[in-house]
Amino acid sequence: KAGVTQTPRYLIKTRGQQVTLSCSPISGHRSVSWYQQTPGQGLQFLFEYFSETQRNKGNFPGRFSGRQFSNSRSEMNVSTLELGDSALYLCASSSTLADTEAFFGQGTRLTVV
Amino acid sequence: AQSVTQPDIHITVSEGASLELRCNYSYGATPYLFWYVQSPGQGLQLLLKYFSGDTLVQGIKGFEAEFKRSQSSFNLRKPSVHWSDAAEYFCAVAPSGTYKYIFGTGTRLKVLA
Repeated sequence: KAGVTQTPRYLIKTRGQQVTLSCSPISGHRSVSWYQQTPGQGLQFLFEYFSETQRNKGNFPGRFSGRQFSNSRSEMNVSTLELGDSALYLCASSSTLADTEAFFGQGTRLTVV
Repeated sequence: AQSVTQPDIHITVSEGASLELRCNYSYGATPYLFWYVQSPGQGLQLLLKYFSGDTLVQGIKGFEAEFKRSQSSFNLRKPSVHWSDAAEYFCAVAPSGTYKYIFGTGTRLKVLA
């Protein structure tokens, strides 16, 4: 069974640009959540989607947005990139059954220069 | 406010020695509790989880953790550490029914041969 797939794995962008990251969940999983990992702030929750609806949102500015498609694939977008957005962005998928955990992808390493 | 504290940023142990990584949480109700491990440049792998029931839970790779409600703790243990256990370990809590994880700051484990 394939795991969570994140593309691309590495990305370099310039300040002011925008970026879109993609996440394909484990087959059958309908919940996708996103996290930002930085050395200074650690792992922080961005948002969670279930059946194309945003269910929870973390404390990030509006430049960070996401969406989920009918096939459960998810994208997150960051507009007007800042140097501080450089981070490892992790996607996790989960089934809809009770008492289950999130399975994480390997992440997308975004570097803003 | 909900929070997770991992008091030890770095821990160094000799191969074959026992290990205990500490995790304390602050949460209004009994949360779902997790331990994840992350190797450099990789995503997070679940070691074990606690939802309810037996307070001593067994995980993969010989790890176990004990939930102590009175101490708001969920410490991770391993009786004999292997060199391949060197990695960063994260404790996390989540409200039941969501995947809005709150992570601790992590404990980086170094294993001496």
